[in-house]
Amino acid sequence: NAGVTQTPKFQVLKTGQSMTLQCAQDMNHEYMSWYRQDPGMGLRLIHYSVGAGITDQGEVPNGYNVSRSTTEDFPLRLLSAAPSQTSVYFCASSYSWVTGNTIYFGEGSWLTVV
Amino acid sequence: AQKITQTQPGMFVQEKEAVTLDCTYDTSDPSYGLFWYKQPSSGEMIFLIYQGSYDQQNATEGRYSLNFQKARKSANLVISASQLGDSAMYFCAMIAGGGNKLTFGTGTQLKVEL
Repeated sequence: NAGVTQTPKFQVLKTGQSMTLQCAQDMNHEYMSWYRQDPGMGLRLIHYSVGAGITDQGEVPNGYNVSRSTTEDFPLRLLSAAPSQTSVYFCASSYSWVTGNTIYFGEGSWLTVV
Repeated sequence: AQKITQTQPGMFVQEKEAVTLDCTYDTSDPSYGLFWYKQPSSGEMIFLIYQGSYDQQNATEGRYSLNFQKARKSANLVISASQLGDSAMYFCAMIAGGGNKLTFGTGTQLKVEL
């Protein structure tokens, strides 16, 4: 049982390049989400999904696209990277109702845009 | 909309002493959950403790306890007998109305000293 797997762990991009952060979970969770963490601002929700084929925007969606073609995978796409997207990205998953330790986080992806 | 406020950017505590990390929250939803996460320098998010809005008693998990004061909308984390390994960033977070959309505070950096 691998939990939530994020790849890559570290990435350096040039401004304007595109890339995809991968997130996969093997727990059959309906809910998956992406957060970004910036210094002094905590984690902020980018996009989330309540099931395959269903996605919605979070607090800071601009510059990011998502899709959910399978229950297991929830990739985050940066179409044209900007320095403001330099951040640490976390993927999370859970069942539909959360109590206690039932939200599972990936280990994070450190992205630098130069 | 939900909001989490952590007013202590940094805290110092002597080893073996107790420390309280403050968290206030705001939501109009009567059903919500409050979380505390620890983030060590390695970056992963570690679940510490959870309190549901309808829970009658304050949550405890080993050396961690949550001082839940519903009328004051506060959910302070108390760490008893601090250890050097407790040095980390601590985040208070909330879910309201179901799903897994967490709203995070800005965090408190705790440093445990000898």
